[in-house]
Amino acid sequence: DVKVTQSSRYLVKRTGEKVFLECVQDMDHENMFWYRQDPGLGLRLIYFSYDVKMKEKGDIPEGYSVSREKKERFSLILESASTNQTSMYLCASSFLPGTSGRAEQFFGPGTRLTVL
Amino acid sequence: GQQVMQIPQYQHVQEGEDFTTYCNSSTTLSNIQWYKQRPGGHPVFLIQLVKSGEVKKQKRLTFQFGEAKKNSSLHITATQTTDVGTYFCAGRYWDSNYQLIWGAGTKLIIKP
Repeated sequence: DVKVTQSSRYLVKRTGEKVFLECVQDMDHENMFWYRQDPGLGLRLIYFSYDVKMKEKGDIPEGYSVSREKKERFSLILESASTNQTSMYLCASSFLPGTSGRAEQFFGPGTRLTVL
Repeated sequence: GQQVMQIPQYQHVQEGEDFTTYCNSSTTLSNIQWYKQRPGGHPVFLIQLVKSGEVKKQKRLTFQFGEAKKNSSLHITATQTTDVGTYFCAGRYWDSNYQLIWGAGTKLIIKP
């Protein structure tokens, strides 16, 4: 079974702190994604990576950065946490679509981050 | 930018009633995927539709992809309490090998 793990289920941080969220997948997936999920807004893509050291901005990258030094690990960094970054953060991974075009995303359990 | 609109945002049904959620894109999709997120859980892949006019069934769930590949629907017949959760569609466009564009989700609530 594909397993995507995230470093914390719950995290409480203070405004201005630097926050690291880590994600690890064990299926040798090329793609990895960071989303945030807020009520009524669905899943919004923050950043994604299609290869080691490669990254692309998603829809809401402001205030975030990412790092992918190894294929299985994708980190999300909040350089200076703010209260509007309080949210559920979901990591996902997938293969490249390939010939079938199928590349479902496998999600981690999520990290609920509260910034006070 | 590319958007996938999903309606309704919520649907309240009595157990045993049917449920439908709809997704619509302004431009043609390469394919569309459906996911289910149980309360307190994370999204889990249900199915992918690729062909124009495609219809796929999983027990009481019926998935359709429109002829123009711009819209899709998920219909659940005779809902059960195990169906509770939020259903998301996610479309892939021809110019993207990586990114899915997500609908906002439809939350299925079963009335007691």
